[in-house]
Amino acid sequence: DAEITQSPRHKITETGRQVTLACHQTWNHNNMFWYRQDLGHGLRLIHYSYGVQDTNKGEVSDGYSVSRSNTEDLPLTLESAASSQTSVYFCASSESAISEQYFGPGTRLTVT
Amino acid sequence: DQQVKQNSPSLSVQEGRISILNCDYTNSMFDYFLWYKKYPAEGPTFLISISSIKDKNEDGRFTVFLNKSAKHLSLHIVPSQPGDSAVYFCAASAVGGGADGLTFGKGTHLIIQP
Repeated sequence: DAEITQSPRHKITETGRQVTLACHQTWNHNNMFWYRQDLGHGLRLIHYSYGVQDTNKGEVSDGYSVSRSNTEDLPLTLESAASSQTSVYFCASSESAISEQYFGPGTRLTVT
Repeated sequence: DQQVKQNSPSLSVQEGRISILNCDYTNSMFDYFLWYKKYPAEGPTFLISISSIKDKNEDGRFTVFLNKSAKHLSLHIVPSQPGDSAVYFCAASAVGGGADGLTFGKGTHLIIQP
């Protein structure tokens, strides 16, 4: 069965470190998204991609970057982790830009 | 500036009764709306959607109503079951507008009481 996975599921890191969160989907979807979920904010879009070599900034992109070298993966990198980036991160993919998105299980990141 | 608003952080409903979750939006470019359900420690799962050319969409116990003039949509769950206890997110997107992902509300925690 097609799925979308995220790793690690939990991560603790120190302020200033570079961190990369992995997202892998086997739906063969062109569109992939990264969101963060914080109490009182719902889910907010960080970055998204509509295909290989395509990346776009979302609502809360500062301090984050993504790269898309193949269809299956969209890793999210925190260049220099900050305590404000402590959050739960969700990756999602969709068949089209406006169709329903399928979400991964999430990565809980703590920056100390 | 919140473009999608869910003004009820929580809602408690008795098992077997109707649950009504509400959502308001401000961006008139939105024309596709979705509801997601989320259990703790899991990712959101898609529940039901509606395009702006419709005013109602039904799928089993779940019905979504859209009132474009009021910029309001609602999700009805009938009858409510214990497994419906979860956080429900309303989301919206704009077709042809680059569709910058989905814009989510803050969520409503639905609690189904026995």
